[in-house]
Amino acid sequence: QVQLVQSGAEVKKPGASVKVSCKATGYTFTDYFVHWVRQAPGQGLEWMGVISPRSGDAKYAQRFQGTVTMTADTSTSIVSMDLSRLRSEDTAVYYCARDSATGAFWSGHMDVWGKGTTVIVSS
Amino acid sequence: SSELTQDPAVSVALGQTVRITCQGDSLRSYHAGWYRQRPGQAPVLVVYHRNNRPSGIPDRFSGSNSGNTASLTITGAQAEDEADYYCSSRDNSGNPVAFGGGTKLTV
Repeated sequence: QVQLVQSGAEVKKPGASVKVSCKATGYTFTDYFVHWVRQAPGQGLEWMGVISPRSGDAKYAQRFQGTVTMTADTSTSIVSMDLSRLRSEDTAVYYCARDSATGAFWSGHMDVWGKGTTVIVSS
Repeated sequence: SSELTQDPAVSVALGQTVRITCQGDSLRSYHAGWYRQRPGQAPVLVVYHRNNRPSGIPDRFSGSNSGNTASLTITGAQAEDEADYYCSSRDNSGNPVAFGGGTKLTV
């Protein structure tokens, strides 16, 4: 079935980087954009960005410009999110989520979600 | 403004109807999506493009839009509907996607 399988939890020190991966199964990887959304403890959802697995083009939220990089590997059907210069405020659960639209444009509505990856930033 | 505003908490009696609202300027141009999130779980899309439901979502969930306000209505709320609900939409300002702050629904 359609699934997004995320990598395991990470503990990082402030200033380090973290890479979270998301493997797509059960559908044509290049047909759907993939978003990254995070949720700090006890807080709401925060959109980080979106990537086209077909072209590799990504669009990021303003607050993450310069610190986040999203990539896609069509040979493994894996989308990755790299977040650098980590701070304690980056402690959160990070989700990848598939856009509901197929084709050249994304809708912003996310119909399949990974289970989330916990990232803890602590000295 | 890129903000979407939701009431922090709403309650409903079992079997009754409840409406959860979401306000924001972007909703004048874009349809809202609605997500249900149970504790410790990932969000689940329940309504999108105003009133489409993904497969597996019961038809007691419906969406509507009027001006700058989107609404999620649950007709005949069940105990399993108790969760946090988030709205989202595209946005033409700073960030292309915005989420509301979430509404905690108690049944």
